[in-house]
Amino acid sequence: EAGVAQSPRYKIIEKRQSVAFWCNPISGHATLYWYQQILGQGPKLLIQFQNNGVVDDSQLPKDRFSAERLKGVDSTLKIQPAKLEDSAVYLCASSGGQGIHEQYFGPGTRLTVT
Amino acid sequence: DAKTTQPPSMDCAEGRAANLPCNHSTISGNEYVYWYRQIHSQGPQYIIHGLKNNETNEMASLIITEDRKSSTLILPHATLRDTAVYYCIVRNSGGSNYKLTFGKGTLLTVNP
Repeated sequence: EAGVAQSPRYKIIEKRQSVAFWCNPISGHATLYWYQQILGQGPKLLIQFQNNGVVDDSQLPKDRFSAERLKGVDSTLKIQPAKLEDSAVYLCASSGGQGIHEQYFGPGTRLTVT
Repeated sequence: DAKTTQPPSMDCAEGRAANLPCNHSTISGNEYVYWYRQIHSQGPQYIIHGLKNNETNEMASLIITEDRKSSTLILPHATLRDTAVYYCIVRNSGGSNYKLTFGKGTLLTVNP
């Protein structure tokens, strides 16, 4: 079974630029999550999708972050404009079926904002 | 979701059992205890979860106290590849919000 795919793996941008991350969840998983992990901290949920609907985006900085999952499969997370404090690893995870207790994480995208 | 408390770091000798404690004294009756780990430069990995009873799978055992206020994750024969940050998370499994709230976890270092 293929795992959660993310791209790119690394990205370096200057502040005020925009950036987008892509995630392809495990086939058949209805729930998709984006987490932000700042160095030295645990991951923090930014947004949760159930199919193509948003379940929780309470911690998403909506003035600069946006996310979509148009067809209920893959998803993109965008930051525009980026700030220095957005430097972090962005993790995508998915869960589904009987495995609601288990979230499967991708390798993450490491973003550096200079 | 209830808050958890874990030691920031622990050491274990290779081949010995690693016992990672977690305190969750404010846990409520419908909240599960989950354990995930994160190896350096990788995404978190699910290990095990439980509600009341002790649980065991191919990776680890989870011991939950009778009052459910604390738990212990046991890696029976730790290897160097078990060096990671281990997160104990308490979460309500009801509804459709499956958010995991991660703390800082315990950095387990397995020494040769």
